[in-house]
Amino acid sequence: GQQLNQSPQSMFIQEGEDVSMNCTSSSIFNTWLWYKQDPGEGPVLLIALYKAGELTSNGRLTAQFGITRKDSFLNISASIPSDVGIYFCAGRYYGGSQGNLIFGKGTKLSVKP
Amino acid sequence: DADVTQTPRNRITKTGKRIMLECSQTKGHDRMYWYRQDPGLGLRLIYYSFDVKDINKGEISDGYSVSRQAQAKFSLSLESAIPNQTALYFCATSEPNSNGYTFGSGTRLTVV
Repeated sequence: GQQLNQSPQSMFIQEGEDVSMNCTSSSIFNTWLWYKQDPGEGPVLLIALYKAGELTSNGRLTAQFGITRKDSFLNISASIPSDVGIYFCAGRYYGGSQGNLIFGKGTKLSVKP
Repeated sequence: DADVTQTPRNRITKTGKRIMLECSQTKGHDRMYWYRQDPGLGLRLIYYSFDVKDINKGEISDGYSVSRQAQAKFSLSLESAIPNQTALYFCATSEPNSNGYTFGSGTRLTVV
């Protein structure tokens, strides 16, 4: 079935640094979503994107729906310790999966104070 | 109270035992899902249900079964647990035309 390639798999950064992660697919997606999972909790929706080229921010987080509709990016500026967790991309592609979300494998973020 | 509640939060069981994980929601959503999370593998769909009478297999349904007892309740069963079913299990809900899922806090299952 359809898979999302999310990278990097993990990141170790210093507090205050900016973070970038991305997700790519082989199919055209009509929706891209970014979730964060705090340790010991379920994923929580951060940002939803609906149109190619769309750029949306949520505080220090900015995500973009790629022009090709086959990728999406998430940036975190000026990271802080509470940004630690696993970030998942997710999306829906045209004509597939009965409308269910497809999830990437996650990017595990560690922040050193 | 949480919108999506999973019980138990943690469970250790022996190989061969039958175990049920429960999920209840107060969101009023029709769609419910069970996912399994393993390190480095992300979230993999086990089963999903679009309403009480509609149950569908996901990508990794072997060894699992589900029951949708009501709109608000969706349980996952392991008929005969095996060690490689040790994982973190999540229940999620959504509305038909919604793009976001609401997840529970997860059940950490260990099969010894």
